[in-house]
Amino acid sequence: AQSVTQLGSHVSVSEGALVLLRCNYSSSVPPYLFWYVQYPNQGLQLLLKYTTGATLVKGINGFEAEFKKSETSFHLTKPSAHMSDAAEYFCAVSDREGGSYIPTFGRGTSLIVHP
Amino acid sequence: NAGVTQTPKFQVLKTGQSMTLQCAQDMNHEYMSWYRQDPGMGLRLIHYSVGAGITDQGEVPNGYNVSRSTTEDFPLRLLSAAPSQTSVYFCASSYSRPYSGNTIYFGEGSWLTVV
Repeated sequence: AQSVTQLGSHVSVSEGALVLLRCNYSSSVPPYLFWYVQYPNQGLQLLLKYTTGATLVKGINGFEAEFKKSETSFHLTKPSAHMSDAAEYFCAVSDREGGSYIPTFGRGTSLIVHP
Repeated sequence: NAGVTQTPKFQVLKTGQSMTLQCAQDMNHEYMSWYRQDPGMGLRLIHYSVGAGITDQGEVPNGYNVSRSTTEDFPLRLLSAAPSQTSVYFCASSYSRPYSGNTIYFGEGSWLTVV
């Protein structure tokens, strides 16, 4: 069965600093990988996803993530944090064919951005 | 461009009451699902459907019923509300089974309080 671990329920950065949100997965085969963002009092929306091809994936609002098979990781980064990046971030995985197609979400990481 | 629409947005129920959370999508998506979000627990899958007439249980189905009579609609029924069902509920949909790497689209959430 697949699982997702997001290290740190809260990450605090200063405006302009590097953002790094960690996600590790456990799956029998490399899965599809997603990052979703949830702004206060809103639903989740897709930030970026990895399905196949280039392992460095660029998303909206300057975020990117790199799929590292050897480390079973899909960490989310942004070079310079902005106040508007304050939100809850969820990593999710779904198996490729042959596995369960129900996506699994991590518990979320709350990004706090200080002025 | 409606996407996934949930109603109501806020609801207060008394213990033992029943109610239905409505969900509709206008994207002709096969896959629909309901999640609940609780602090520190991330998203937990309640029920899901892979097409009209087909539903199945997720991780936390007890106390909830669903039906899928049309492609567009996927209501969630609380049979006899309990304080433990106080939560934020999200309806979600995707074009087909998420193992294809399809993006999941979320509604804006329904805040439910059971007193």
